Amino acid sequence: DAKTTQPNSMESNEEEPVHLPCNHSTISGTDYIHWYRQLPSQGPEYVIHGLTSNVNNRMASLAIAEDRKSSTLILHRATLRDAAVYYCIHQMGMRFGAGTRLTVKP
Amino acid sequence: GAGVSQSPSNKVTEKGKDVELRCDPISGHTALYWYRQSLGQGLEFLIYFQGNSAPDKSGLPSDRFSAERTGGSVSTLTIQRTQQEDSAVYLCASSFRGGGGYTFGSGTRLTVV
Repeated sequence: DAKTTQPNSMESNEEEPVHLPCNHSTISGTDYIHWYRQLPSQGPEYVIHGLTSNVNNRMASLAIAEDRKSSTLILHRATLRDAAVYYCIHQMGMRFGAGTRLTVKP
Repeated sequence: GAGVSQSPSNKVTEKGKDVELRCDPISGHTALYWYRQSLGQGLEFLIYFQGNSAPDKSGLPSDRFSAERTGGSVSTLTIQRTQQEDSAVYLCASSFRGGGGYTFGSGTRLTVV
């Protein structure tokens, strides 16, 4: 089963970096790691995905462990609008867990 | 259109009635997922379509639920004899085959009264 493990919740201060961890020890060698977020009362929004190398885009960075059993989503400067539930999932299967609820304090 | 379109955005139906929910994926996207999200809960996988392959129906909660995808594009999720526990937001997502991020629609909020 394509299972990921994330902390239930995290807090951050505004304008500080946030590191959201995810464990995916059962991931296969060809399966991408995806991150999505869901703002209140909205559908999930794609954030970033990667396979082996670290990835950067305008929203975030994704750091993938060398053994691919874990990854970290990095928000370089959290804003109040980043408050959401963040989901880490395997692309194959696209089964969502409970995610991490990120609270950003002003 | 530019995004995944779902209709209706809201649907109120009486218990026992059938409902159809529609998803228009982004043009050219071959992969399509349906999820449902009950109030305050996470996303529950329902069904997955990939091109012309047989769909993965393993998430459908009962035989009252079915879905089809015509011509590899528009998909319809049908719930027969609706029950109050079917009340939820039903979300559709699509992507190109072979990877890439999935784009979600805004969902259909179904309320069974």
